[in-house]
Amino acid sequence: DAGVIQSPRHEVTEMGQEVTLRCKPISGHNSLFWYRQTMMRGLELLIYFNNNVPIDDSGMPEDRFSAKMPNASFSTLKIQPSEPRDSAVYFCASSLERGYTFGSGTRLTVV
Amino acid sequence: GQQLNQSPQSMFIQEGEDVSMNCTSSSIFNTWLWYKQDPGEGPVLLIALYKAGELTSNGRLTAQFGITRKDSFLNISASIPSDVGIYFCAGQKMGGGSNYKLTFGKGTLLTVNP
Repeated sequence: DAGVIQSPRHEVTEMGQEVTLRCKPISGHNSLFWYRQTMMRGLELLIYFNNNVPIDDSGMPEDRFSAKMPNASFSTLKIQPSEPRDSAVYFCASSLERGYTFGSGTRLTVV
Repeated sequence: GQQLNQSPQSMFIQEGEDVSMNCTSSSIFNTWLWYKQDPGEGPVLLIALYKAGELTSNGRLTAQFGITRKDSFLNISASIPSDVGIYFCAGQKMGGGSNYKLTFGKGTLLTVNP
């Protein structure tokens, strides 16, 4: 099992640009989560999907953020337009019932 | 949103010492989990607890699910340099549409001096 796979590992972009983060969950897991981690706020849940359906997106900061899960093996988190305050590590995690398995994260820097 | 109170925020210890950290919540959880995060990586599950009062070990790590279901602790015995990292507690509720959501503590940063 390859685990949860995220790409890219690092992204540096200019303010105003669109950023797309990608995630491949563990095969067979039916829940997928997007988290953002910063020093100030710790791990924040942005959105989660169950069986590819968004269940709770109350953590999405604002309309600039959107997430999709077109099928059970792929999800994207998009930020458009990006701002410097979006700089953080973004984690994807997947789960079957209890506990999560996290990916290695995408470190996003918006300059 | 809901918060878990994790303490201490950071610890500096000597190699060989034992470590203890804990999490408390104002609400009940059905599952408690402890994760460790190494620099540049995602959190990795260390121990999962499913029953109130449960005491579970994983090598030098021991964790307990509090009787009230509102707290949990993690002990690390005979610490070694590779124990360095951030330790997170997480609580999970089951049922009521929130089956899959974990609530995380702010983390405990552990530094081990060789």
